[in-house]
Amino acid sequence: EVQLVESGGGLVQPGGSLRLSCAASGFTFSSYEMNWVRQAPGKGLEWVSYISSSGSTIYYADSVKGRFTISRDNAKNSLYLQMNSLRAEDTAVYYCARVLIPNDAFDIWGQGTMVTVSS
Amino acid sequence: SSELTQDPAVSVALGQTVRITCQGDSLRSYYASWYQQKPGQAPVLVIYGKNNRPSGIPDRFSGSSSGNTASLTITGAQAEDEADYYCNSRDSSGNHLGVFGGGTKLTVL
Repeated sequence: EVQLVESGGGLVQPGGSLRLSCAASGFTFSSYEMNWVRQAPGKGLEWVSYISSSGSTIYYADSVKGRFTISRDNAKNSLYLQMNSLRAEDTAVYYCARVLIPNDAFDIWGQGTMVTVSS
Repeated sequence: SSELTQDPAVSVALGQTVRITCQGDSLRSYYASWYQQKPGQAPVLVIYGKNNRPSGIPDRFSGSSSGNTASLTITGAQAEDEADYYCNSRDSSGNHLGVFGGGTKLTVL
């Protein structure tokens, strides 16, 4: 079964750090571009970051640039999001999502992991 | 970056047809994809490309595009179609799928 499973969410104080993980299974992870997408409570979807299949190309939303770092380990079938200098507005469910080949779409999503930034 | 605009809410009578629209300049160059999200669940891809449905998505869901507007049509809406729907496309640079619409809450009456 094709699956993405996020982990690492939790409660963190403003200014703190958290590392999210996304474990992939059921497909050749190294062949796929990956993204992080978040959703604040009661709000819409917001794209956060993109990484190419090899990890050589990376993009970030302006709202997280300079604070978040996306990475992947193809040998471990895993995607990561290192989040530093966290703010209250980063509070959200964070989803990892696979990009469908060759079409432009997120075809597989994880169940999400909740990040709460609060003192 | 660029923006995609959706109506916040749309309603449809059970069994009738409803169209949910998404407007944005990037749609003149790139297709939109559409996602259904029910409360407490992850989004699910329902339409991608010109008009493609992933396996398991009912054929009452269809997509179309004209100019700067993409549309998701549900023909014969069912109670289980009540959900939030989001469009997505590439950003203005074309480098990534970095733009989501604000979402449309579909109510089936």
